[in-house]
This record gives sequence, C-alpha cells and structure tokens, in this order.
Amino acid sequence: DAMVIQNPRYQVTQFGKPVTLSCSQTLNHNVMYWYQQKSSQAPKLLFHYYDKDFNNEADTPDNFQSRRPNTSFCFLDIRSPGLGDAAMYLCATSRKPGLAGSTDTQYFGPGTRLTVL
Amino acid sequence: GESVGLHLPTLSVQEGDNSIINCAYSNSASDYFIWYKQESGKGPQFIIDIRSNMDKRQGQRVTVLLNKTVKHLSLQIAATQPGDSAVYFCAERISGGYQKVTFGTGTKLQVIP
Repeated sequence: DAMVIQNPRYQVTQFGKPVTLSCSQTLNHNVMYWYQQKSSQAPKLLFHYYDKDFNNEADTPDNFQSRRPNTSFCFLDIRSPGLGDAAMYLCATSRKPGLAGSTDTQYFGPGTRLTVL
Repeated sequence: GESVGLHLPTLSVQEGDNSIINCAYSNSASDYFIWYKQESGKGPQFIIDIRSNMDKRQGQRVTVLLNKTVKHLSLQIAATQPGDSAVYFCAERISGGYQKVTFGTGTKLQVIP
C-alpha cells in the first residue's frame, strides 16, 4: 500500500506559469519534507514542516513556497518556474523524534518529474 | 564546508558477488547515518541505518559498517542480484534532534548478469 503519494507523477508547465505539486501520506507522520533532485545528483532539501511549523532552507529560492493544510497533505508551489527548475521533486515524511516507536527514517514518495518548456 | 561524499560514482559487479559501496563524511558531529537505494524514476528507498554508537549493523543481505575514526561508512550487499542495480546514497544527520539529513553524491551500482 502506498504510504507517501505524489501527484502528478509527471508535470509539464510553461516558463513562468505557476505550478503546484501535491503530496499526501497515510503514515500520520509529523514531519513532511520537500526535496529537489536534478539528474545524477543527490536530493536537495528545500524545506520541511514540523507539524505546522514551516522550516525553510537558507538557500531555497523565494520562487518555491509550501503549504500544509493538514497532517496528511503538503503542497509545493513554484510561482514562476524557470528552465532551471526542471527536476524531480520528492516528498518525504518522518515521525516526530521522541515519540514511541519513532525513528529518524524518512519515507519517500515516488516523486514528481517537472518539465519546464 | 561539511560534506558527505562517495568515493566511486559507478560500481560494476558480477551477479552473485558481494558489493561494497563506500562513503566518506566530514562532520564529526553526525550521529545518524542512512543508506538509501534509488531505482530509476523512483524515490529513494530506505535500506539500513546506523547510529554513531554502533560500528556495525546487519539487515537482510546488507551490512553497514561505520568507522568514526576515519569518518567512513560502507554498505555491503551480499550475493548481489540484478534487482540491486540502482543508485545508492548515504545520508547523515548532525546530532541535535533536528530531522534534517544531508545526502551524499551517490554511487551507481550495475549488476552484470
């Protein structure tokens, strides 16, 4: 059963046209992450939510925003996609540290591959 | 700056042989390490993890070794199978309770049938 779901799997957008990627989880995890992964590179953390608290990485461009309306869902908004934003976008989740049974493991979704024309 | 890196970008092994994928890290404050497997077009999949108070941990066909003295981490895969072909990433977390992990550059494992 899918635990971290990303939709769509493939997204094509035009240069400058806003796009939203979605992530949902059935794990009831407290923490949700968004990563950007370009070809042959390691995933790069953009930001994460610790419950409702938003934590942005210092080098994440302002063009990238995120929303988490509830525990299960998290969205990545790219306000004005550029050609350099073409990448795989990965969502991940983990449990809050300190909870019973908690580990530090992050569980990844299958990713959304974004193409910018 | 602090970094996590892998020694070999590509590793080719014969089916049935053992594979060893290496990773060097430079942050002595890291207390938790994870190996992920990423197949083409998929998200990273957790393989095995190890905390800094351990030097070895075994899973099913996989073993992770941690040498804190030289800041080195390795993943050993026994009896490598074609399904093991993927990119393998090591990742580290700096102690402090913060959930952020930093990924290394990845090693592509090619299994020759």
